[in-house]
Amino acid sequence: NAGVTQTPKFQVLKTGQSMTLQCAQDMNHNSMYWYRQDPGMGLRLIYYSASEGTTDKGEVPNGYNVSRLNKREFSLRLESAAPSQTSVYFCASSEFRYTEAFFGQGTRLTVV
Amino acid sequence: AQRVTQPEKLLSVFKGAPVELKCNYSYSGSPELFWYVQYSRQRLQLLLRHISRESIKGFTADLNKGETSFHLKKPFAQEEDSAMYYCALSAGNMLTFGGGTRLMVKP
Repeated sequence: NAGVTQTPKFQVLKTGQSMTLQCAQDMNHNSMYWYRQDPGMGLRLIYYSASEGTTDKGEVPNGYNVSRLNKREFSLRLESAAPSQTSVYFCASSEFRYTEAFFGQGTRLTVV
Repeated sequence: AQRVTQPEKLLSVFKGAPVELKCNYSYSGSPELFWYVQYSRQRLQLLLRHISRESIKGFTADLNKGETSFHLKKPFAQEEDSAMYYCALSAGNMLTFGGGTRLMVKP
């Protein structure tokens, strides 16, 4: 039972480079989320997707784009990476708003 | 807009002492509130949710709508409780987290 799988686990980018973080869940959940975790700031919502085909901005969407490819997959793209995007990124999924959210293991991204 | 505030970044207690991790929220509607925990080198996971009114690992949390709070309590802390704790609010389709409190339980 894989749950929520994120790739890659670690990544180092140069300023200006682009990359896509992949996330897949095998629990048939409707909602998926992308967060970033920074020291002292907790988890901040970047984007979320309430269902297949829909995406919405969260608290800190600038510099990111997302794609809900299908019900299983929700990717996060950095078009032109900046040092301020150095963070740990978490993907999560849940069935409804009342139920438990399941998290991936995180992607540690460093932009130099 | 919804917001979750955890005023303490770090809480340090001795084993056997009572613990209270504070959480305050702002939301105009009826919220669903959760506590999540992240142990060292593990994924973030659900600890408890207010709708279940349950006790998990000796922890309880009561929703106080008048004070807009959802504090997490445990009467006797254990060393294995040392972790990062996040309060979260679910409203609409958004799941919003607080800044987190690191709990350190000293022997």
